[in-house]
Amino acid sequence: GENVEQHPSTLSVQEGDSAVIKCTYSDSASNYFPWYKQELGKGPQLIIDIRSNVGEKKDQRIAVTLNKTAKHFSLHITETQPEDSAVYFCAASYSGGGADGLTFGKGTHLIIQP
Amino acid sequence: GAGVSQSPRYKVAKRGQDVALRCDPISGHVSLFWYQQALGQGPEFLTYFQNEAQLDKSGLPSDRFFAERPEGSVSTLKIQRTQQEDSAVYLCASSPGPISEQYFGPGTRLTVT
Repeated sequence: GENVEQHPSTLSVQEGDSAVIKCTYSDSASNYFPWYKQELGKGPQLIIDIRSNVGEKKDQRIAVTLNKTAKHFSLHITETQPEDSAVYFCAASYSGGGADGLTFGKGTHLIIQP
Repeated sequence: GAGVSQSPRYKVAKRGQDVALRCDPISGHVSLFWYQQALGQGPEFLTYFQNEAQLDKSGLPSDRFFAERPEGSVSTLKIQRTQQEDSAVYLCASSPGPISEQYFGPGTRLTVT
């Protein structure tokens, strides 16, 4: 089955700086890669996703890049703000997202220092 | 609009008791998923429904775990004879279709004492 590794486990950045979280996956058949943000006591919230036919996707301060050859994908957050503090999870799926279970990484605790 | 809802939000069970956790997906969503999230870990897939059909139950950890979605809407995850290792947050997610995103509910935190 699929295995997703995520690094770092904790990331502390100054407010206004950029944050980068990296994930690798094992199964080349995976073709859908979402990123979720989870705040304490809440369920994961989808923030951005990318499919295997795309190399990069942006949404305001958030971007995701995918390298299918190397089997890794990354989340980039620019101009970080205090409300970005949370745990971020990457995930991978064989289908388009709604037809099989997601395999998650272990999460990155992002801390934004004021 | 209304998101995925789950009840109860918190459940404390004594070891050996049976529990039932409910998920109300977003209206009209075809796909429904259950995940288990241990403290400090990422969610782990348990089972998947498309309408009322359970298409994948490969993640259920033992035969004490059972899930159903009889009318293709609300789903129930049942755990029989709970054990301490069952303590976790149980998350439900729904999706409008096979090539769509998964939207998660707030989860049910189960504590087995």
